[in-house]
Amino acid sequence: DAGVTQSPTHLIKTRGQQVTLRCSPISGHKSVSWYQQVLGQGPQFIFQYYEKEERGRGNFPDRFSARQFPNYSSELNVNALLLGDSALYLCASSPPQNSDTDTQYFGPGTRLTVL
Amino acid sequence: RKEVEQDPGPFNVPEGATVAFNCTYSNSASQSFFWYRQDCRKEPKLLMSVYSSGNEDGRFTAQLNRASQYISLLIRDSKLSDSATYLCVVNDSSYKLIFGSGTRLLVRP
Repeated sequence: DAGVTQSPTHLIKTRGQQVTLRCSPISGHKSVSWYQQVLGQGPQFIFQYYEKEERGRGNFPDRFSARQFPNYSSELNVNALLLGDSALYLCASSPPQNSDTDTQYFGPGTRLTVL
Repeated sequence: RKEVEQDPGPFNVPEGATVAFNCTYSNSASQSFFWYRQDCRKEPKLLMSVYSSGNEDGRFTAQLNRASQYISLLIRDSKLSDSATYLCVVNDSSYKLIFGSGTRLLVRP
């Protein structure tokens, strides 16, 4: 089975631009989470979506938004990019709530560079 | 205080050595616990879940002490391929993973 997929793999933008990152979860997984990982740090939680509804939001500004589609894929949007938004953006999917695990499985990430 | 704290290392050990990593977490209501492994410029990959009773997977043993809010990972007979960053991870709700900053392990020949 395919794992979590993300696109694009790399992206270069300039300050003030907007970016959209995409994620497809593992087949059968209905939950998608987004994390930001800057160099030298662990991933930081941005959002989780379950059944197209936002279940949780981390401590990120309103420039960050996301949505989930009927096929459970997801997009993360970041507006008005800042240099500090340069990071690896990770998407993770997790099994349905009635499963016996809450493990999250990560995609390969999108590496965003803001110049 | 950070929610999940780890020694950043690096731990530089010879092949065959035993190495232990420790982690503390601040939220006593945390529900589940994991160790993830992350190779350079790659995504985190689940190494193992951590249970109060302790669990072992081959050369890897994980322990959880809820009273002390402490998690450990022991790697026996280190291999060159074990070189990576090990992330201590706590799930404090049904959806949010909180990561430590990671402990870097270098296994030398």
